Amino acid sequence: NAGVTQTPKFQVLKTGQSMTLQCAQDMNHEYMSWYRQDPGMGLRLIHYSVGAGITDQGEVPNGYNVSRSTTEDFPLRLLSAAPSQTSVYFCASKGQPDSGNTIYFGEGSWLTVV
Amino acid sequence: GQNIDQPTEMTATEGAIVQINCTYQTSGFNGLFWYQQHAGEAPTFLSYNVLDGLEEKGRFSSFLSRSKGYSYLLLKELQMKDSASYLCAVSDSNYQLIWGAGTKLIIKP
Repeated sequence: NAGVTQTPKFQVLKTGQSMTLQCAQDMNHEYMSWYRQDPGMGLRLIHYSVGAGITDQGEVPNGYNVSRSTTEDFPLRLLSAAPSQTSVYFCASKGQPDSGNTIYFGEGSWLTVV
Repeated sequence: GQNIDQPTEMTATEGAIVQINCTYQTSGFNGLFWYQQHAGEAPTFLSYNVLDGLEEKGRFSSFLSRSKGYSYLLLKELQMKDSASYLCAVSDSNYQLIWGAGTKLIIKP
C-alpha cells in the first residue's frame, strides 16, 4: 500500500540552487496538492491540481512551480532557493476535488536552504 | 479573512480525558477535520464532521456546532502514544482546507 510517496526526505540546498520535490500517488486520485509547514503556523497550501493538465495557485505560490502531466505525479519545483523556503513540505491527495473526502499525506520532505 | 483558532499546547495525565477546542471563521463550510501528527511525521486522519453533533470513534470523539463555529476533539483514557499535535482543518466553500496551527498535547505519566 504505497499511497502518497514523496522524495527526497531530507535535502540541504544553497541559496540560488534549484531542485524538484517528487510526489506520486497510486490511488487514482484527481486532487493533489503541496503544503509547507512552519513552526507555529498551520499547513499552508502552495499549489494544487484538480486533474491532469490542471494546476492552480494556493496561498503561498511564489518561488514554486508545479506541473501535472499524469494523474499519478505532481512534482514541486523550487526555482531559486531562498532561506525563507526552509520548511517541511507535504504532498497530499484526495479522491474528488469537490468533496469533503479526507486527504492523504506523503511522509514529508525536510528542506534546509543555507 | 479565514481563521482557525486552537490552543498552542495542552498537558494531560495518562489515563485522563482531554478536550481540544477549535473555533473557526471561514468563507463557507463543507466539513471539519481533525488530524493527528506525531513529531517528524505526516498528519493522519482522525475524524470528519459535517453535521452538528458528536461523532464517536473508540477513545476519540469529535463534536461540531456549525452555528457557533466550534468543534472539539475529546480523547479518553489517554495513553503516552497520544502525545502528538492535533490539527483542526475546515473545508471552505471551494473545498479547500484551511488549517489551524495545531495543538501540541503532552501526556505525563
